[in-house]
Amino acid sequence: SAVISQKPSRDICQRGTSLTIQCQVDSQVTMMFWYRQQPGQSLTLIATANQGSEATYESGFVIDKFPISRPNLTFSTLTVSNMSPEDSSIYLCSVNRDRGRELFFGEGSRLTVL
Amino acid sequence: QKEVEQNSGPLSVPEGAIASLNCTYSDRVSQSFFWYRQYSGKSPELIMSIYSNGDKEDGRFTAQLNKASQYVSLLIRDSQPSDSATYLCAVNRGGNQFYFGTGTSLTVIP
Repeated sequence: SAVISQKPSRDICQRGTSLTIQCQVDSQVTMMFWYRQQPGQSLTLIATANQGSEATYESGFVIDKFPISRPNLTFSTLTVSNMSPEDSSIYLCSVNRDRGRELFFGEGSRLTVL
Repeated sequence: QKEVEQNSGPLSVPEGAIASLNCTYSDRVSQSFFWYRQYSGKSPELIMSIYSNGDKEDGRFTAQLNKASQYVSLLIRDSQPSDSATYLCAVNRGGNQFYFGTGTSLTVIP
């Protein structure tokens, strides 16, 4: 498994502001993934964060709205920019040790946008 | 057609009974299959992974995979109130993309 720490665990934000979520893993991993889970919904992949290159975004998600940093093999950040109430969600950082193998999640960051 | 489909429930079973959760997937090339448990307000927690046809047992949990029929199931024996949660089925084709179902809500009644 992996120990994955996320900060903040929750926050209440005003419309139009931006928030950066941090994810720290206890060991080096090649890929880190950012998911979103909207209320009552399942998980949707936002992007894959690669160390040393641009993040790879899924359909419907763009870098201007969700910029991602990956400065090293144990850390990543996701910024939710210019937030609106529709961005209210749980944001989850996740990793796996090998391609196609088990995915492990951080505790999540619950954002509420007013 | 969704990649992964689950009955949303809610599924209610009495304490001590067997809970049976089912999941179907659409892509025959899927290679890896996972069950996650998610308590309300918490993040998903991996409880089982299965990669080949047949049964895999871990304590009170048994995962069953049938690739020909494209379904994977999770059996929880001797269900406990602490098993009450939403169970997510996830499927992977061998790359980095995991496809999650919408989850089945399970309630174990004392």
